[in-house]
Amino acid sequence: SYVLTQPPSVSVSPGQTASISCSGDELGEKYTSWYQQRPGQSPLLVIYQDTKRPSGIPERFSASNSGNTATLTISGTQPMDEADYYCQTWDSNTVMFGGGTKVTVL
Amino acid sequence: QLQLQESGPGLVKPSETLSLTCTVSGGSISSSGYYWGWIRQPPGKGLEWIGNIYYSGNTYYNPSLKRRVTISVDTAKNQFSLKLSSVTAADTAVYYCARPGEVGATTWFDPWGQGTLVTVSS
Repeated sequence: SYVLTQPPSVSVSPGQTASISCSGDELGEKYTSWYQQRPGQSPLLVIYQDTKRPSGIPERFSASNSGNTATLTISGTQPMDEADYYCQTWDSNTVMFGGGTKVTVL
Repeated sequence: QLQLQESGPGLVKPSETLSLTCTVSGGSISSSGYYWGWIRQPPGKGLEWIGNIYYSGNTYYNPSLKRRVTISVDTAKNQFSLKLSSVTAADTAVYYCARPGEVGATTWFDPWGQGTLVTVSS
């Protein structure tokens, strides 16, 4: 089965840049999405089709996908960005999620 | 604005069948052309896709759960449902319903319901 691998945690200082990786075999050949999940809340889509931001998502959220790795970047990280982040892709009508990365804003 | 709301028992006994319903408002399941999905999240753990269904009844399931999962749709009630048989404590999770983001395809999910916690315990 296809596996997406994320680091368990990332720490960042307020105002700095956080980068979260998501690795999978030839992931760059698939579309990747990213979700933010704050404690007690449902996941919120922050990136779809590798690089697109839904309406209402701040511009400080950006992403890329190439080779075997997709990356979510949060520029000028704010305390409200502290959350779990999940990558997701699909292939042949099967959906896969990464294990999630906890972003801590110190 | 499309909204999804999960409902069903919060407690299920081991070996029994978990049954949940997702009610869709602000849009029609049958006329939208979208698939509709179920995802779950065990306490303190990550997200796991369960399966998707089209309004016509066409389904796609997670291979690891396929043997125990049935997803169905009721277009008259604008609802779709999840049944998971032979549950164990490992099936304890928050269950979310969500809609894939593109018509007629398995893609990203947006929006999501608020989720409902189902505990498997005697």
